[in-house]
Amino acid sequence: EAQVTQNPRYLITVTGKKLTVTCSQNMNHEYMSWYRQDPGLGLRQIYYSMNVEVTDKGDVPEGYKVSRKEKRNFPLILESPSPNQTSLYFCASSRTGVSYGYTFGSGTRLTVV
Amino acid sequence: AQRVTQPEKLLSVFKGAPVELKCNYSYSGSPELFWYVQYSRQRLQLLLRHISRESIKGFTADLNKGETSFHLKKPFAQEEDSAMYYCALRGNSGNTPLVFGKGTRLSVIA
Repeated sequence: EAQVTQNPRYLITVTGKKLTVTCSQNMNHEYMSWYRQDPGLGLRQIYYSMNVEVTDKGDVPEGYKVSRKEKRNFPLILESPSPNQTSLYFCASSRTGVSYGYTFGSGTRLTVV
Repeated sequence: AQRVTQPEKLLSVFKGAPVELKCNYSYSGSPELFWYVQYSRQRLQLLLRHISRESIKGFTADLNKGETSFHLKKPFAQEEDSAMYYCALRGNSGNTPLVFGKGTRLSVIA
């Protein structure tokens, strides 16, 4: 089944403890992206990647890192999480070309205490 | 700059009533526009692409370049339509990111 898989689904952590949220897609999509979803703010893009070894900042990249060493994987790294990074995170992928919408993962609900 | 505006945070309608979720955009070129839906506790799903001119679950959306709008419409709302709806825009320069509006929560009252 074609899908985007995120892990974990839920995570509670403490301030400053490094964490990684994994994202993997099996559709051979070139384009991958991370969003955070907050009430009243909608979806805001954190980072995106147009292909392997190519990453760019989105609207809210501060406090996050990403890497794209393989086409299928696009992990999101929080080196030193803070409470304002408590949010619902979505990974998405797409073929290149403007006519294609995104396929989203199921989301990761992160709580930083 | 790309921008998507959804002026209503919440829209409540009675079952069987018509629905219109508004979306306006700002983009200097010819954009690609999408509607996504997010049911409670689920992932976002693509509902419509303007290029496809399709009708999904009774919803349609027409791109109006003069008014820079892409409103989502359904003639008769169903309770199962209750969800969060996001309008999104992608520029036409190749690999530009998808920009989302802040979303409208549709509540269909029985």
